[in-house]
Amino acid sequence: QKEVEQNSGPLSVPEGAIASLNCTYSDRGSQSFFWYRQYSGKSPELIMFIYSNGDKEDGRFTAQLNKASQYVSLLIRDSQPSDSATYLCAVPEAGSYQLTFGKGTKLSVIP
Amino acid sequence: DVKVTQSSRYLVKRTGEKVFLECVQDMDHENMFWYRQDPGLGLRLIYFSYDVKMKEKGDIPEGYSVSREKKERFSLILESASTNQTSMYLCASSSPADRWLDTQYFGPGTRLTVL
Repeated sequence: QKEVEQNSGPLSVPEGAIASLNCTYSDRGSQSFFWYRQYSGKSPELIMFIYSNGDKEDGRFTAQLNKASQYVSLLIRDSQPSDSATYLCAVPEAGSYQLTFGKGTKLSVIP
Repeated sequence: DVKVTQSSRYLVKRTGEKVFLECVQDMDHENMFWYRQDPGLGLRLIYFSYDVKMKEKGDIPEGYSVSREKKERFSLILESASTNQTSMYLCASSSPADRWLDTQYFGPGTRLTVL
């Protein structure tokens, strides 16, 4: 069973700070990675995906991938209270259409 | 934009009832998924389907069945609801056009309570 690990949090950061969320995965063959955001009581929504080593930036969000170390991270710059949510990391299973999800990290941005 | 809809936002049923949860997507996606999500346990895959009339068991299929008669619709059936099936149920769909970028799009979820 492939594993995707995240710290459950809560991770608390002050408004305007950088929030750093981390995810490690067990399958060295994994090629692409997804970050979903889930507000309380709502369904997950995709915010980023990354498939190459290095950084991918989209607005205030940066995904970082290090395949050698088997971790992927999500940085949120200039954190806002509206970023308060649970962030799920997901990794496709090789040879399947399934995604393995981490249990998520709960982020709280304090005004 | 991809739209995935689920038949009910909230549902309350009694133990032993047969429960139908329906999911419809409008993007002609081949793949559809049913998950349940519980605090501390994360998202767990119940069943998925990669084509009409095709289904595959996920991690926790016991007590559930599914039906996919049309490409856009994927139904989850609780044959005899039990209290331990009280949960948030999430439907998702994706396209296999590029397997490594197989993004799943989620519906709004159904909060099911079994009394």
